[in-house]
Amino acid sequence: AAGVIQSPRHLIKEKRETATLKCYPIPRHDTVYWYQQGPGQDPQFLISFYEKMQSDKGSIPDRFSAQQFSDYHSELNMSSLELGDSALYFCASSSMNTEAFFGQGTRLTVV
Amino acid sequence: SQKIEQNSEALNIQEGKTATLTCNYTNYSPAYLQWYRQDPGRGPVFLLLIRENEKEKRKERLKVTFDTTLKQSLFHITASQPADSATYLCALPAYSSASKIIFGSGTRLSIRP
Repeated sequence: AAGVIQSPRHLIKEKRETATLKCYPIPRHDTVYWYQQGPGQDPQFLISFYEKMQSDKGSIPDRFSAQQFSDYHSELNMSSLELGDSALYFCASSSMNTEAFFGQGTRLTVV
Repeated sequence: SQKIEQNSEALNIQEGKTATLTCNYTNYSPAYLQWYRQDPGRGPVFLLLIRENEKEKRKERLKVTFDTTLKQSLFHITASQPADSATYLCALPAYSSASKIIFGSGTRLSIRP
């Protein structure tokens, strides 16, 4: 069965650079979520989309933005990267507010 | 504000025993509660969802209870195996929005042979 696909799996950027993370949700799932997980921490909610419209926002820095496109894939854009942005970024999708299926994540390292 | 608490300390148990993990929440009455498993460097994997009108749910060696009066869920793994070693996360939909899932801090479970 198709799962949530994230790309890239690993990304190394320098401070003040920009990064774009991509997520391809499971077909026919209506909700996409983005989470940030630092070492030893629980996943922190960033933002979600329901049917391509932003539905909720968590503790997401103003330097970050996200959108969901007509083909349902989503992108998380991060600008002016800081060392503290180094983390695992997960995308998840769900249908009708049930269980969320997570991708393998993108490990972002800012140097 | 909404709060989810899980055993902050790691749980170490002998293979074959039953592992019991606790999730407590406050200031909220969720319509459902979920449990996920997470291995290092991997995304959380959904295990079980239990709704507010369900007291108990089972899936193979897993059992989840949901006590809406105590605002607590218990997650049990029977006949535990070393392969069950992982971090287990409790999750709830946010009271402000169903399109926002809030995770607890997780409990690290280690099963020794």
